[in-house]
Amino acid sequence: AQKITQTQPGMFVQEKEAVTLDCTYDTSDPSYGLFWYKQPSSGEMIFLIYQGSYDQQNATEGRYSLNFQKARKSANLVISASQLGDSAMYFCAMREGIIIQGAQKLVFGQGTRLTINP
Amino acid sequence: DTAVSQTPKYLVTQMGNDKSIKCEQNLGHDTMYWYKQDSKKFLKIMFSYNNKELIINETVPNRFSPKSPDKAHLNLHINSLELGDSAVYFCASSLTRGRGFITGELFFGEGSRLTVL
Repeated sequence: AQKITQTQPGMFVQEKEAVTLDCTYDTSDPSYGLFWYKQPSSGEMIFLIYQGSYDQQNATEGRYSLNFQKARKSANLVISASQLGDSAMYFCAMREGIIIQGAQKLVFGQGTRLTINP
Repeated sequence: DTAVSQTPKYLVTQMGNDKSIKCEQNLGHDTMYWYKQDSKKFLKIMFSYNNKELIINETVPNRFSPKSPDKAHLNLHINSLELGDSAVYFCASSLTRGRGFITGELFFGEGSRLTVL
């Protein structure tokens, strides 16, 4: 079964608009972590934001916020005031269980290609 | 001051050849990984090492052999390359033990694009 699902293969948004990238996850472990990464056309993977399963508040990092709805098992990324430089692939990922030395692994979704139009 | 560096960035080779990709991290992390990103951009873990010890070994052909001479280095050797091995290989590192709050986020290298002809 797919652990991480990103249902939007591509998104097109006007510059300065807010955008929400969807991510749903599947786990029966009460302890897990959720991550979002950005991959621009240059290819590197850039960490954006983290949400722990026990965190009471939604994570925020500058223009990025994570809309964490635990009961729905969703962890959508919200980018406010989008910029041309936000055009990239965005990946949602999950770590199941607590962090154990070397044994943790991140499972990634299929990604969403975001294009910001001027 | 690259945190996770991989070499080479590009590799073009013939089927049947053997090739290696090197990775080094200067973040003081205790765990390193190899991930493979296929042509559809799907990222999948291959191996994980913690302090030179192999911890995670996903279903990867025996032709792939990781080696970690110390906790700052993790190399990937691939024997008898096949067309299906063409992909981008990412090295990553993370901290799994230390003071304070740890998220376990991965820090990625820039990737090594392997093309097998």
